[in-house]
Amino acid sequence: EPEVTQTPSHQVTQMGQEVILRCVPISNHLYFYWYRQILGQKVEFLVSFYNNEISEKSEIFDDQFSVERPDGSNFTLKIRSTKLEDSAMYFCASRGQSPRLNTEAFFGQGTRLTVV
Amino acid sequence: AQKITQTQPGMFVQEKEAVTLDCTYDTSDPSYGLFWYKQPSSGEMIFLIYQGSYDQQNATEGRYSLNFQKARKSANLVISASQLGDSAMYFCAMREGSRGGAQKLVFGQGTRLTINP
Repeated sequence: EPEVTQTPSHQVTQMGQEVILRCVPISNHLYFYWYRQILGQKVEFLVSFYNNEISEKSEIFDDQFSVERPDGSNFTLKIRSTKLEDSAMYFCASRGQSPRLNTEAFFGQGTRLTVV
Repeated sequence: AQKITQTQPGMFVQEKEAVTLDCTYDTSDPSYGLFWYKQPSSGEMIFLIYQGSYDQQNATEGRYSLNFQKARKSANLVISASQLGDSAMYFCAMREGSRGGAQKLVFGQGTRLTINP
């Protein structure tokens, strides 16, 4: 069964460093998302991406964040200068070709980012 | 304003009993979809069931069913004959339909379900 793959599963980084979280969405999916979940809290939307551009972004997704789909298969989230409060589980998700409401988003297993 | 509210932070249920996890939502969009996801301790998000705002019947998927009461804006998840493997965090989420194809999911706070043997 096709799946969304995220690497690494766990990343520890020093405050102020740049990190890149990588995702390989399900091939032939067209809609891509990043969400984050601070430990013990709800899952929060960061950004959606469609047709090679950002569709929507949340207040959390400030200038320190960026997304790219560099080669048609990978989908990356970059945090330019990490802060302690960026520590969270980051989920990548992808959705199929239909814009219909009932198409589920498939989530990757997540990358746990720890900023020290 | 909270769009998705899950009022039960934790639930404890005996194995083989049925359990209902509550979810209420708030939207002015007539077209929306409601989802339930399961998050086991390993952390991944597993899709369970979907209910559309225009669906006439409550959704069912195996042991999962959704008690959809549109007038009350509630979409409670019912798990029948609970199993030890059902112990997990459960999230209710909503997608609103009027914003185009890349509609995001908005999640509730989650309910931690523990099944006791």
